[in-house]
Amino acid sequence: GAVVSQHPSRVICKSGTSVKIECRSLDFQATTMFWYRQFPKQSLMLMATSNEGSKATYEQGVEKDKFLINHASLTLSTLTVTSAHPEDSSFYICSAVISTYRGYTFGSGTRLTVV
Amino acid sequence: DQQVKQNSPSLSVQEGRISILNCDYTNSMFDYFLWYKKYPAEGPTFLISISSIKDKNEDGRFTVFLNKSAKHLSLHIVPSQPGDSAVYFCAAANSGGSNYKLTFGKGTLLTVNP
Repeated sequence: GAVVSQHPSRVICKSGTSVKIECRSLDFQATTMFWYRQFPKQSLMLMATSNEGSKATYEQGVEKDKFLINHASLTLSTLTVTSAHPEDSSFYICSAVISTYRGYTFGSGTRLTVV
Repeated sequence: DQQVKQNSPSLSVQEGRISILNCDYTNSMFDYFLWYKKYPAEGPTFLISISSIKDKNEDGRFTVFLNKSAKHLSLHIVPSQPGDSAVYFCAAANSGGSNYKLTFGKGTLLTVNP
């Protein structure tokens, strides 16, 4: 089946630094990928929609200059958290669509801790 | 405004009994609904879905019921097993939309006791 590989699974960084999270589709081409953020005991909140070869579409309230998304190929989307602050600490998850909703496959997530 | 609501943050069930997880939605444009299961520090995995043209979909131990007039759906797991213990998210979508966006509920933590 379709697999989405997300790395790293866990990262700790210092305030003010930037962190890049990668999301790769391993055996299919993902034209569209989504980036979610989840706080403890909260829902998955959609941050942005990443489309290959074009600019990402950000949800209301998400700072596009802080959360840089690049979808340069059909198998790779990256999320860079720039100038990270402790309040950016969260669980970030990517997902990709193949052709149907059942093919809406999630990565394993990245636990970001900013100290 | 939360468009997909899972009002029970947690549910505890005895092994072998039925687990019923509930979900309500407010957006009448939603016509496709999914349930995902999530373990801690992992991404969600797809369980079962239902289109609004149906009122029931069954897959093994999992059955999803949809009541369109009440804007309510439920996931039944029977018999429940300890390995079913996880957070279950209800998600909804407008299949007529062009970007496959899903709206998630906050999840229900299911604990199945041996």
